[in-house]
Amino acid sequence: DQQVKQNSPSLSVQEGRISILNCDYTNSMFDYFLWYKKYPAEGPTFLISISSIKDKNEDGRFTVFLNKSAKHLSLHIVPSQPGDSAVYFCAASNFGNEKLTFGTGTRLTIIP
Amino acid sequence: KAGVTQTPRYLIKTRGQQVTLSCSPISGHRSVSWYQQTPGQGLQFLFEYFSETQRNKGNFPGRFSGRQFSNSRSEMNVSTLELGDSALYLCASREQLGSGNTIYFGEGSWLTVV
Repeated sequence: DQQVKQNSPSLSVQEGRISILNCDYTNSMFDYFLWYKKYPAEGPTFLISISSIKDKNEDGRFTVFLNKSAKHLSLHIVPSQPGDSAVYFCAASNFGNEKLTFGTGTRLTIIP
Repeated sequence: KAGVTQTPRYLIKTRGQQVTLSCSPISGHRSVSWYQQTPGQGLQFLFEYFSETQRNKGNFPGRFSGRQFSNSRSEMNVSTLELGDSALYLCASREQLGSGNTIYFGEGSWLTVV
């Protein structure tokens, strides 16, 4: 049962444009959401998070949006840079069961 | 502050053998968790330890075990290795338990079972 889904395995975006990565979840008990970025042969690097009491969180070029009614979150990267090329994972946890549940990842490629 | 440190980074084992992986969390972090990453399954939660006690466990067979020491360092062990255990094993730490505490990952230990 895949509780966190990233339906796009890959995404290509021109440098300087906006990258939008999407994530859907099914467990309504999730109350904290995170995005991680992963380069090959490295561990995931934390990017940005959002609590379920918010619908938006910004950090520099990265903004995460949460739509609780749709059980959907998205990560916006503006402007996209070549160094953003990586696999992006969304993850979720809930207060009662604090383990992170990850999506399967989206490979983002920024085209120069 | 040093990040999460995992050793060894790469190792090759034979089917039927056992393996122990080590993790040193970020200084001050008391929680350590372990994840397995495989190409087909993504990142799967193994278990989490806090103050030397296992707090949460994923859906893995009993061949996968772990422990945490008083200095918060952690080890995970896989016994009777199978080919399907070949994966990247990631250790992560956070300061405290609780949903709002961000988890930080190490670079992982690549295990190949032949």
